[in-house]
Amino acid sequence: DGGITQSPKYLFRKEGQNVTLSCEQNLNHDAMYWYRQDPGQGLRLIYYSQIVNDFQKGDIAEGYSVSREKKESFPLTVTSAQKNPTAFYLCASRNTGNSNQPQHFGDGTRLSIL
Amino acid sequence: EDKVVQSPLSLVVHEGDTVTLNCSYEVTNFRSLLWYKQEKKAPTFLFMLTSSGIEKKSGRLSSILDKKELFSILNITATQTGDSAVYLCAAVTSGTYKYIFGTGTRLKVLA
Repeated sequence: DGGITQSPKYLFRKEGQNVTLSCEQNLNHDAMYWYRQDPGQGLRLIYYSQIVNDFQKGDIAEGYSVSREKKESFPLTVTSAQKNPTAFYLCASRNTGNSNQPQHFGDGTRLSIL
Repeated sequence: EDKVVQSPLSLVVHEGDTVTLNCSYEVTNFRSLLWYKQEKKAPTFLFMLTSSGIEKKSGRLSSILDKKELFSILNITATQTGDSAVYLCAAVTSGTYKYIFGTGTRLKVLA
């Protein structure tokens, strides 16, 4: 089945540690996105990529980094510079060839601090 | 600053009731408005609205957009416990296709 796979489902980070969240899609979508969801704040855009080897900062990029070396994959690294990383992280993708296609989401990764 | 505001923040109803969820937006270069349903994990797509006044319908759910007054509503008739979820709306900007999300409305339907 086509879809977006995020892993792991749950992740714990120690102080000063970098962690990487995986996002893989087999929908052949060009565009991919990372959002952070906190209680009562909706989804906020961290980074997005419209094409391989290119990505742009979203509204809350500080303390995060991404790469887009393959069309299918858009990993997100939460660095030690991100002082409040506890949140639910959602990855999404979209078919840019059709402007009426919505973003589709993965099941998310819940990150907590130890 | 672009923003999307949803109301109410939460709502508790009984099965069979009809509910109306509201979404207002202030977005430069507005292109379209989307509704998603989020139960535990991934938001799932419900509707995309681009034109004013044209109702979109799927079963017991319907939605409409008013581009003059800058709002949209999502109606759910004959609610069921399976409708319990957070309903998110997002305004999409032209060009970058950036999504600006509201905080969501948490709906709980009691049996």
